[in-house]
Amino acid sequence: SQKIEQNSEALNIQEGKTATLTCNYTNYSPAYLQWYRQDPGRGPVFLLLIRENEKEKRKERLKVTFDTTLKQSLFHITASQPADSATYLCALDTLMNYGGSQGNLIFGKGTKLSVKP
Amino acid sequence: DAGVTQSPTHLIKTRGQQVTLRCSPISGHKSVSWYQQVLGQGPQFIFQYYEKEERGRGNFPDRFSARQFPNYSSELNVNALLLGDSALYLCASSLLLGADTQYFGPGTRLTVL
Repeated sequence: SQKIEQNSEALNIQEGKTATLTCNYTNYSPAYLQWYRQDPGRGPVFLLLIRENEKEKRKERLKVTFDTTLKQSLFHITASQPADSATYLCALDTLMNYGGSQGNLIFGKGTKLSVKP
Repeated sequence: DAGVTQSPTHLIKTRGQQVTLRCSPISGHKSVSWYQQVLGQGPQFIFQYYEKEERGRGNFPDRFSARQFPNYSSELNVNALLLGDSALYLCASSLLLGADTQYFGPGTRLTVL
């Protein structure tokens, strides 16, 4: 069956360091992979999307890599700040039989990041 | 421009009751999806609607139903509530079916006693 794993439930790092979060998947043929941020009691907020034919995507202090051979995505936050503390979710879209995007997302459980001053 | 809105914010029901949750998508967005998020888990896909038609359904029992209106707003109905239905219910809108990015609302926190 299809499965997404975010390897760490929680990650604690010091301010200024780079946070690296991992997302692995099995039995999927994703059209693309997305990363979301979620604060307690709030809805997820979209951060970055990377397509299956892209290796890397950047946005300000954020970087996402996508290795379809390893079936893995890495999400990096450089120069982390206490305000980056939140739960980060990876999500996969799945391809329809005819190759189009299915449009609904399958989420991992999330990794709770805590950045200490 | 307003984001996705959901109502009510919080809801408390007892087992066996029925509940209706409401969602208004971002203006111009034609696709609405519903997700259930149990504490400590990622959101789980329930339904997707586009142009008032159901386009996708997750692994949820028939007690769950939804519809989309001509103005693209949507309702999620859950009948015969169980304790396990307690969760944050999230609505997400996107411009088109299969569009890349889904924009989530703040959610409705449902507690079933």
